[in-house]
Amino acid sequence: AQSVTQLGSHVSVSEGALVLLRCNYSSSVPPYLFWYVQYPNQGLQLLLKYTTGATLVKGINGFEAEFKKSETSFHLTKPSAHMSDAAEYFCAVTPTGTASKLTFGTGTRLQVTL
Amino acid sequence: GAVVSQHPSWVICKSGTSVKIECRSLDFQATTMFWYRQFPKQSLMLMATSNEGSKATYEQGVEKDKFLINHASLTLSTLTVTSAHPEDSSFYICSGQGFTGELFFGEGSRLTVL
Repeated sequence: AQSVTQLGSHVSVSEGALVLLRCNYSSSVPPYLFWYVQYPNQGLQLLLKYTTGATLVKGINGFEAEFKKSETSFHLTKPSAHMSDAAEYFCAVTPTGTASKLTFGTGTRLQVTL
Repeated sequence: GAVVSQHPSWVICKSGTSVKIECRSLDFQATTMFWYRQFPKQSLMLMATSNEGSKATYEQGVEKDKFLINHASLTLSTLTVTSAHPEDSSFYICSGQGFTGELFFGEGSRLTVL
């Protein structure tokens, strides 16, 4: 069974500041990990994913995440926040080899202020 | 990336009526479609998984007689909410999975039952 914990349902940063959204997972098998972004009244868009290989994964819009097995974490970062980054972000996990039945975290709403 | 389109994006109906939501994969063949439900400020909850030409597999606690899912072709799946009640009001999101295994999400359909 898998589960995802996103610490902080709401994160506020200033424009230009570092963005850090936390995600910890639990999985009985090596996981596939994902970050999705959701803008108001829209579906989910894939930001990045980790399957195998390099543990630092780069995604769209300048975001990246690092898979740390020892910490069971997959935190999302962006060096410099932009106003357009304001959205809801979801971390998700699925068992290795089955990139289908995703288990989502409860989401983190990112607010970017001037 | 591939495109999944949902229709309608917004629907308001009276209590007791049925509502159909369509999910189309526009530029790929979706061998599997997933239907999610999202309550306000909460994560996505998987409702059911459907494979083309087969009966849908429902998650525990989801009433299959209330949420009818049809996946008649590789590009179309439908979710029908039968005898809708106000507690069925929610944001419904579908995702399609093609032969590559990657998931693509629709933009969601917001149902309001009066």
